[in-house]
Amino acid sequence: GEDVEQSLFLSVREGDSSVINCTYTDSSSTYLYWYKQEPGAGLQLLTYIFSNMDMKQDQRLTVLLNKKDKHLSLRIADTQTGDSAIYFCAEAGMNRDDKIIFGKGTRLHILP
Amino acid sequence: GAVVSQHPSWVICKSGTSVKIECRSLDFQATTMFWYRQFPKQSLMLMATSNEGSKATYEQGVEKDKFLINHASLTLSTLTVTSAHPEDSSFYICSAPLRQGAYNEQFFGPGTRLTVL
Repeated sequence: GEDVEQSLFLSVREGDSSVINCTYTDSSSTYLYWYKQEPGAGLQLLTYIFSNMDMKQDQRLTVLLNKKDKHLSLRIADTQTGDSAIYFCAEAGMNRDDKIIFGKGTRLHILP
Repeated sequence: GAVVSQHPSWVICKSGTSVKIECRSLDFQATTMFWYRQFPKQSLMLMATSNEGSKATYEQGVEKDKFLINHASLTLSTLTVTSAHPEDSSFYICSAPLRQGAYNEQFFGPGTRLTVL
């Protein structure tokens, strides 16, 4: 079945770049997402990438996709205290009726 | 972007009672909605797919008699936790897809925190 793995915790100094990594197993994954969840809140879609792309940049966010290795990463440049949250990697496939499979989430902690 | 609401945002109930949670797409129609469950410090677990006008599709291991789903209209899906027990305490989140160009973007509700005493 489909599976998404990511490290559970990342600690970064304010102003540095954060890189959150994710691997997935389903080779038919079509869409790959990064969601942000702040404490006690719902999910916010940060960015997404189609499987036929290898990079997408959106302001401070850069997504890299290595489809061969089924590896996805999210880079947050100039990390700020407001970036402190849980980041979920997720994937969906064309033939899975919009079902999204989530990783366990990476808790990003910002050091002063 | 599109908005999905959930009601209530939190609920506390006694063990053995039933609780209904509503998920509404406020400015778009959704023939499909998804219900997730999130345990503390864990990921979202897909529970079921709610289908307008037909039965919900449950993921493996989810008790359909325990978690009743009704998708009565194109903008409303309800999840009823029947005979709730403390182990049902969790954060329940719904989502609805909306076509955005070449793909369907999922819009998530803010979640409902259920505490069963």
